[in-house]
Amino acid sequence: EADIYQTPRYLVIGTGKKITLECSQTMGHDKMYWYQQDPGMELHLIHYSYGVNSTEKGDLSSESTVSRIRTEHFPLTLESARPSHTSQYLCASSENGRGGKTGELFFGEGSRLTVL
Amino acid sequence: SQQGEEDPQALSIQEGENATMNCSYKTSINNLQWYRQNSGRGLVHLILIRSNEREKHSGRLRVTLDTSKKSSSLLITASRAADTASYFCATGRNTGKLIFGQGTTLQVKP
Repeated sequence: EADIYQTPRYLVIGTGKKITLECSQTMGHDKMYWYQQDPGMELHLIHYSYGVNSTEKGDLSSESTVSRIRTEHFPLTLESARPSHTSQYLCASSENGRGGKTGELFFGEGSRLTVL
Repeated sequence: SQQGEEDPQALSIQEGENATMNCSYKTSINNLQWYRQNSGRGLVHLILIRSNEREKHSGRLRVTLDTSKKSSSLLITASRAADTASYFCATGRNTGKLIFGQGTTLQVKP
């Protein structure tokens, strides 16, 4: 079992609400990631962080924002949710690979967001 | 797709049979990884193969990598109903990011 936790697992909210998806890991990993996945589809990287106070946008444009104030915590925030934000959001972490290479990712169980 | 294609998109076999999934990618990589995802859950890492390796085994899993063809395959031998899941390949680059394929949905019938 990976020591990475996401809350909430399921969230149904109305349009215009602000939401924060929490992600915490106890493995001391520097690298953390947020992926977005629609049912039966591939994962798209939307945000990543290589350490405290470091955040970057991923390959898929997203209206969400992230912060990395502590190593173990990488929350994702949507200021004003819309139906188009309905999706599953997966958080992951990894150790620092040698030479910046990417090793194994440890995933949380995901947060399934539905915006009505 | 961000990176490449997985083939087939869906596979249905009987318990005890072997399952083979293929993954193609477009750019140079430093490693290729396979993950498994049960319905509605997060992904679990199965195996990592480096760009200078051609084949790797882990239990009932066998992974091959052909960098000249930019392709990889995952073989699951003697499949079980519990192997029913989606399987994703992911390519690692020097950027430190991991890019996922579209996945293959495997159903193993008891």
